[in-house]
Order: sequence, then C-alpha cells, then structure tokens
Amino acid sequence: EAGVAQSPRYKIIEKRQSVAFWCNPISGHATLYWYQQILGQGPKLLIQFQNNGVVDDSQLPKDRFSAERLKGVDSTLKIQPAKLEDSAVYLCASSLFDTLNTEAFFGQGTRLTVV
Amino acid sequence: GQQLNQSPQSMFIQEGEDVSMNCTSSSIFNTWLWYKQEPGEGPVLLIALYKAGELTSNGRLTAQFGITRKDSFLNISASIPSDVGIYFCAGRTGNQFYFGTGTSLTVIP
Repeated sequence: EAGVAQSPRYKIIEKRQSVAFWCNPISGHATLYWYQQILGQGPKLLIQFQNNGVVDDSQLPKDRFSAERLKGVDSTLKIQPAKLEDSAVYLCASSLFDTLNTEAFFGQGTRLTVV
Repeated sequence: GQQLNQSPQSMFIQEGEDVSMNCTSSSIFNTWLWYKQEPGEGPVLLIALYKAGELTSNGRLTAQFGITRKDSFLNISASIPSDVGIYFCAGRTGNQFYFGTGTSLTVIP
C-alpha cells in the first residue's frame, strides 16, 4: 500500500514570496490533515479535511495560509506571503474515517526555509 | 488545542538499556498512538492503543493505555543504536489528533 506522498521535500524562499505544497493521501483515506512542525516541537494541526470539506481550520493563519482539497483526494497548502517564522516542516497526514480504530499516517514532510 | 505533556524531554542511554517514557493529558482520549520521527522524515506509527488498560507490544516496544484514559507510556527494551530519534505520543478524540512535545532518544554504542 502506497503511503502519503508529499512534494517538494525541501523549499527555500525569500520572505514575502509565495509557496505551495502538495499532498496525496493514502488511497481511500477520507480525512486529510496538514500539520506544521517547528524545530524541537510536536506537530501542530493547521487544517483538517473530511473528503473535500474543512472540519477544522481554527489554527490556520488565514491571512496568509490557504488550503484546498477540491476533489476530496489530493490537497495543496499555500502560504502567501511567507514570513520568517513560517520556517518549519509541513507534514501531511491521512486517516480512514473510522470512529473505532483510527490512526493517522504521515508523509515525509516538506521542509520550508524562509530567508 | 489539547496539551499533551511528554517526559522526559530527552534521554541519553547506553546500548542495551531499557527506556521508559510517558505522556499525560488533562483530557480524555479514545486512542493513544506512539510515533517515532527520524531527522528529515515524517513521524512513523509504532503502536496504537484503543482501550483503557490495553497493553500492546511491537517487537521490543511495549505501550499501555492508562486506565484514566489521560495517560500512556512507551517502553523500549534492550535499546540499539537505530532506536535513536524523537518519540511522540498522540491522543485522538473524535477524528482529531493532538501531539506531545516529544522525547529525544540518544543511544550510545
């Protein structure tokens, strides 16, 4: 079974530029998550999708971050304009929508450096 | 969001020693998960626990879901150099996952 795919693996941009990350979840997983992981910290949820609908985006800085999952499969996360403090690893995860035994599986992440 | 406290924050141990780390929360969770993250990689699921009191093993790893549903521990027996990494606990409520602050493990050969 293929895992969660993310691209690119690394990205370096200047502040005020824009950047986009892509994620393809595990086949059949209805729930998709974007997490931000700052160095030395645990993953922090940015946005959660259930199929193509947003379940939780309360932690998403909506003035600069946006995300979409138009067809309920793959997703993109965009930052525009980027700030220095956006430097982090952006992790995508997916899970089955199962109320009993649900686990989240992660991609390798995209390491963003804003200079 | 929910706060999960992991301890210890870091550990330096000799190869062959056993390791124990735990995670506590002020909130009740339906599932506890333990992940390992190596440099430059995403977290990899090690063990999932679904019932209070459940004790589950995966090779040299053993984890338990606390009776109160507010805590969990992870033990690693007979550590080896490839156990190096950061271990995260995660609690699930509904279809949302909340992560601990991580325990960094260094194994000295």
